[in-house]
Amino acid sequence: NAGVMQNPRHLVRRRGQEARLRCSPMKGHSHVYWYRQLPEEGLKFMVYLQKENIIDESGMPKERFSAEFPKEGPSILRIQQVVRGDSAAYFCASSPGQGVRNEQFFGPGTRLTVL
Amino acid sequence: RKEVEQDPGPFNVPEGATVAFNCTYSNSASQSFFWYRQDCRKEPKLLMSVYSSGNEDGRFTAQLNRASQYISLLIRDSKLSDSATYLCVVTRGGTASKLTFGTGTRLQVTL
Repeated sequence: NAGVMQNPRHLVRRRGQEARLRCSPMKGHSHVYWYRQLPEEGLKFMVYLQKENIIDESGMPKERFSAEFPKEGPSILRIQQVVRGDSAAYFCASSPGQGVRNEQFFGPGTRLTVL
Repeated sequence: RKEVEQDPGPFNVPEGATVAFNCTYSNSASQSFFWYRQDCRKEPKLLMSVYSSGNEDGRFTAQLNRASQYISLLIRDSKLSDSATYLCVVTRGGTASKLTFGTGTRLQVTL
């Protein structure tokens, strides 16, 4: 049973380009969460999605960032016009359902470097 | 003030030692509490949940004091493989399932 998959594992972009980060949840999981970890900082919640719905996007920057979890295919975190401050590790987690007793399993992360 | 505060360390301890980490949280509405472990440049992994009654898993013991909004993790008989960053995590639960992480306490166990 494969765990949470994220790709690419490493992504290098120049300022102004777009970054697309993909997350495939564990089999049977319909809830996806994205977190960002800046260098030397803790993980910060960005967005919580279920299939075709954004449930909580309170941690998403107001501009340039968007997320989706379509009916088919992986969840996508999209960053437009990247800036150096976007360089970070982006972790996706999935859970089978809602609520605290549903443990969130984390993927290996995508390390984004903006030149 | 950060919602979850931890001493960043590092804690350098010899193998076999007992070490304790503390964490405080500011949101009294927090309902559930966890310790995660994160190895260098890897994803966080759940170590254990924390209950008011306290709970133990092998060499690891976690305690929660809701009145003081304080969580602790005790590691007995430290192993080299325990070297990692330990993350204190809280959530308000229910529909608000997002996890709020502390910045972590780094542990280095040496020979």
